Amino acid sequence: DVKVTQSSRYLVKRTGEKVFLECVQDMDHENMFWYRQDPGLGLRLIYFSYDVKMKEKGDIPEGYSVSREKKERFSLILESASTNQTSMYLCASSRGLRLFFGSGTQLSVL
Amino acid sequence: KQEVTQIPAALSVPEGENLVLNCSFTDSAIYNLQWFRQDPGKGLTSLLLIQSSQREQTSGRLNASLDKSSGRSTLYIAASQPGDSATYLCAGDYGGSQGNLIFGKGTKLSVKP
Repeated sequence: DVKVTQSSRYLVKRTGEKVFLECVQDMDHENMFWYRQDPGLGLRLIYFSYDVKMKEKGDIPEGYSVSREKKERFSLILESASTNQTSMYLCASSRGLRLFFGSGTQLSVL
Repeated sequence: KQEVTQIPAALSVPEGENLVLNCSFTDSAIYNLQWFRQDPGKGLTSLLLIQSSQREQTSGRLNASLDKSSGRSTLYIAASQPGDSATYLCAGDYGGSQGNLIFGKGTKLSVKP
């Protein structure tokens, strides 16, 4: 069965902290994605990656960076967390047309 | 600008009713359209994918259709059950980047016993 695992279900961080969100998929998918989901705004793409060490900016990359050192792992990094980055973060992977999502990380920045 | 719209934002129906969820998109040059289900506080689960060359797809009690000329897709749920209560999102793929989908904001469905 397809599995995308996000390391944390809930996270609480302080303003200015460096935050790492981890995502692992076990399906050997080439493509991986990070979205954030906010009430009234829907899902917005932050970054995506076609392959190891490859990355592309999505619609809202400001304040974020990513790392993909291995095919199965895609990390989202908040360099200096701010309160407006409080959100639900969703990781996804795909090969071809269908997207498979993790369960999400609810991040609160205080 | 490519946009995907879902109306209504929320829908409540009694158990057993057949229902239709709507999705409209502004640009008919769509490669495919996906329907997802999201339970509260959880990630999205892909339900059905309709490629541009197809008119509809079926899975169990779910049937999704795609009409590119009118810019519409519908998700039909037969004999609804309380377990169908969730938010349903549609997403259009315009092929700009693999898997870079444009999501609607979803319809929150509540099926009352």
